[in-house]
Amino acid sequence: EPEVTQTPSHQVTQMGQEVILRCVPISNHLYFYWYRQILGQKVEFLVSFYNNEISEKSEIFDDQFSVERPDGSNFTLKIRSTKLEDSAMYFCASSRDRGKYEQYFGPGTRLTVT
Amino acid sequence: KNEVEQSPQNLTAQEGEFITINCSYSVGISALHWLQQHPGGGIVSLFMLSSGKKKHGRLIATINIQEKHSSLHITASHPRDSAVYICAVRDQGAQKLVFGQGTRLTINP
Repeated sequence: EPEVTQTPSHQVTQMGQEVILRCVPISNHLYFYWYRQILGQKVEFLVSFYNNEISEKSEIFDDQFSVERPDGSNFTLKIRSTKLEDSAMYFCASSRDRGKYEQYFGPGTRLTVT
Repeated sequence: KNEVEQSPQNLTAQEGEFITINCSYSVGISALHWLQQHPGGGIVSLFMLSSGKKKHGRLIATINIQEKHSSLHITASHPRDSAVYICAVRDQGAQKLVFGQGTRLTINP
């Protein structure tokens, strides 16, 4: 069964460093998402991406964040200058299209900023 | 902005018991999702529904649009059902999900 994959599974970085989290969505899906979950808190929406542009973004998704689909398979989240409060589990998800389609989640990348 | 509340926050039961987890939301939605999060952190989609009832194995999900309420039921619960169950809603006209805080379910043998 097709699945969303994410790399790395765990990333440790120092404050101020740039990180890139990678996702490979399900191949025939057109809508992509990034969510994050700070330890002990709710999952929060960051950004959605459709037709090679950002479709929606939350207040969390400020200028420090960017997303890109550099080729036909990868979907990346870049954090330019990490802060301690960026430590969280980051989930990528994809859905077949807009509308009432299920979102399929990747296993997550645990980002630890020291 | 939709507010999603789940109850209970924690639930411990004995194997075989019938489990109910509740979810309420504040604003009309286009769809509601029930998700399962395992101890390792991974999230699995269980159901997506916008009306009525869906059943998959021992899991049943219902939604009452007028009441803005959904329930997830587990029949004949088993220790492997132990996980965090999360309700998430999609607002009308939006694609993003708004999540509840989750219900931690522990089934003891």
